[in-house]
Amino acid sequence: AQSVTQLGSHVSVSEGALVLLRCNYSSSVPPYLFWYVQYPNQGLQLLLKYTSAATLVKGINGFEAEFKKSETSFHLTKPSAHMSDAAEYFCAVTDYGGSQGNLIFGKGTKLSVKP
Amino acid sequence: NAGVMQNPRHLVRRRGQEARLRCSPMKGHSHVYWYRQLPEEGLKFMVYLQKENIIDESGMPKERFSAEFPKEGPSILRIQQVVRGDSAAYFCASSPSGRAVFFNEQFFGPGTRLTVL
Repeated sequence: AQSVTQLGSHVSVSEGALVLLRCNYSSSVPPYLFWYVQYPNQGLQLLLKYTSAATLVKGINGFEAEFKKSETSFHLTKPSAHMSDAAEYFCAVTDYGGSQGNLIFGKGTKLSVKP
Repeated sequence: NAGVMQNPRHLVRRRGQEARLRCSPMKGHSHVYWYRQLPEEGLKFMVYLQKENIIDESGMPKERFSAEFPKEGPSILRIQQVVRGDSAAYFCASSPSGRAVFFNEQFFGPGTRLTVL
């Protein structure tokens, strides 16, 4: 079965600094991977998704992620953090063992951005 | 095009009462997923429905929980005889397509935050 591990439940960066949020997955088949962002008291919004096309995926708000099969990783990055990036970020993988598409989520990483 | 709608946004129930959570998918979407988010946890899949059919309920607790998605109207997640451990945020997501649904984005609603006293 698929699983997702997000290293670091809290990450704090300074405004303008690099953002790196880590995600490792476990899957016996080529996965489809997603990053979602959740602002306080809101639902999840898709940042980007990997569906076996280009390994470097660009998303909204300047975020991107690189699929590395050898490392089973899909880390999320942004070159320069903005205050508005403060939120919780979830990595997710599609559950092939389930019924065509329910998502398996990591526990999330809360990103704080210091002025 | 309105997004996924969920109501109520906040729901308070006493132990033993029933909770009904509603989800209206995006226009044109016929697939609905329910997820539960416990404090300090990621979202956990509960159930996947299409119109009038439960496709996968492997994430649903065996007792007290049920879900439906009727031909007309919103999807309903029903929790009978709530207990304190049911306190969580419940999110609904919808997607537009069928067999290739895992290629597609799931659009999430704002969630219903259930508090059981």
